[in-house]
Amino acid sequence: AQTVTQSQPEMSVQEAETVTLSCTYDTSENNYYLFWYKQPPSRQMILVIRQEAYKQQNATENRFSVNFQKAAKSFSLKISDSQLGDTAMYFCAFMKPHGGTSYGKLTFGQGTILTVHP
Amino acid sequence: NAGVTQTPKFRVLKTGQSMTLLCAQDMNHEYMYWYRQDPGMGLRLIHYSVGEGTTAKGEVPDGYNVSRLKKQNFLLGLESAAPSQTSVYFCASSTQGLSYEQYFGPGTRLTVT
Repeated sequence: AQTVTQSQPEMSVQEAETVTLSCTYDTSENNYYLFWYKQPPSRQMILVIRQEAYKQQNATENRFSVNFQKAAKSFSLKISDSQLGDTAMYFCAFMKPHGGTSYGKLTFGQGTILTVHP
Repeated sequence: NAGVTQTPKFRVLKTGQSMTLLCAQDMNHEYMYWYRQDPGMGLRLIHYSVGEGTTAKGEVPDGYNVSRLKKQNFLLGLESAAPSQTSVYFCASSTQGLSYEQYFGPGTRLTVT
């Protein structure tokens, strides 16, 4: 079974600065997907960024980028130029691809509460 | 195009009462999921469905039942609510493809007293 661990329950950062959220996972699979989801106070789950394990290049989406270290089973999220609207709970999640005995289940970490201060 | 919707958004139940949470998606997705979110534990999968008329157990299925009579709807039932079922419930849907993204509903906050 896969496990996902986020060791930072809470983080804070000043507006316009950079912050990195950590995530480690455990799996015996070779092909899988990793995600970062954002959950603002509205409670809506919003996909921030995804990474395919077979791709060596780290994913980027505007101010969000990841550092994917497959051998170390590490998947950290870097937020550059932090904005007040980035204040939210962030979840790291693991997924095996659909098909065969897999059904696209997401395994989530415990979450990191990020607060951006003005 | 509403995406994934959940009904109701909030509910308070007394121990032993029953209720059904409704999830609907208009994206023609094959896969649908029910998760619960508890403080400090992330989201955990309760039940899932890989197509109309099929359901299966996830990590924490005890005390819940589900049905998927129509492709666009996925119902989560609590037959006899317990305080341990106080949680926020999320429905999600997805389809096979390059993105593998799950689309989430807005959640239902359930309190069992």
